Amino acid sequence: NAGVTQTPKFQVLKTGQSMTLQCAQDMNHEYMSWYRQDPGMGLRLIHYSVGAGITDQGEVPNGYNVSRSTTEDFPLRLLSAAPSQTSVYFCASSPFDGSGANVLTFGAGSRLTVL
Amino acid sequence: GQNIDQPTEMTATEGAIVQINCTYQTSGFNGLFWYQQHAGEAPTFLSYNVLDGLEEKGRFSSFLSRSKGYSYLLLKELQMKDSASYLCAVRDSNYQLIWGAGTKLIIKP
Repeated sequence: NAGVTQTPKFQVLKTGQSMTLQCAQDMNHEYMSWYRQDPGMGLRLIHYSVGAGITDQGEVPNGYNVSRSTTEDFPLRLLSAAPSQTSVYFCASSPFDGSGANVLTFGAGSRLTVL
Repeated sequence: GQNIDQPTEMTATEGAIVQINCTYQTSGFNGLFWYQQHAGEAPTFLSYNVLDGLEEKGRFSSFLSRSKGYSYLLLKELQMKDSASYLCAVRDSNYQLIWGAGTKLIIKP
């Protein structure tokens, strides 16, 4: 049971480049989400999904796109990378009982640097 | 606005007890979570409180007072492997998680 798998673990981009962070889970979780973690700040929600075909914006969605075509996969796309997007990104999933996210299982993280 | 406050850093001695506090001001309350995060790793779930009182789980306990907007995580018999950051998160009225910046706990021999 792999849990939540994120790739890549490390990535360096130049300003203006685009890329996709991949996230897959094998626990049949309905809820999936993307967070960014910056020094001195709490985790901030970028986008989330409560099921295939359903996505919604979190606290800091600008500059990012997501899609949820299957229950397992939830990729995060950076459209035109900016230095302000330098961060550690975490994908997280949980069961969804209709009342909101339950206990989150996190992926190992992706460290992104934008030059 | 919504706010969660935790001390930035704490130091404790191996074998001792440490209490990490978390105070919150959120739009509604639907539960409080504690996660542990070792350096360079992902957060992992420690505890969940939705009613007032103490939840005990082995060496770790978590307390909640909803009227005071206050929680603490109590770690007993500290071990070197407990050196990590401890994240407090509150689920608000929209059932979204609001996260504190975390408390870095340093354990000394």
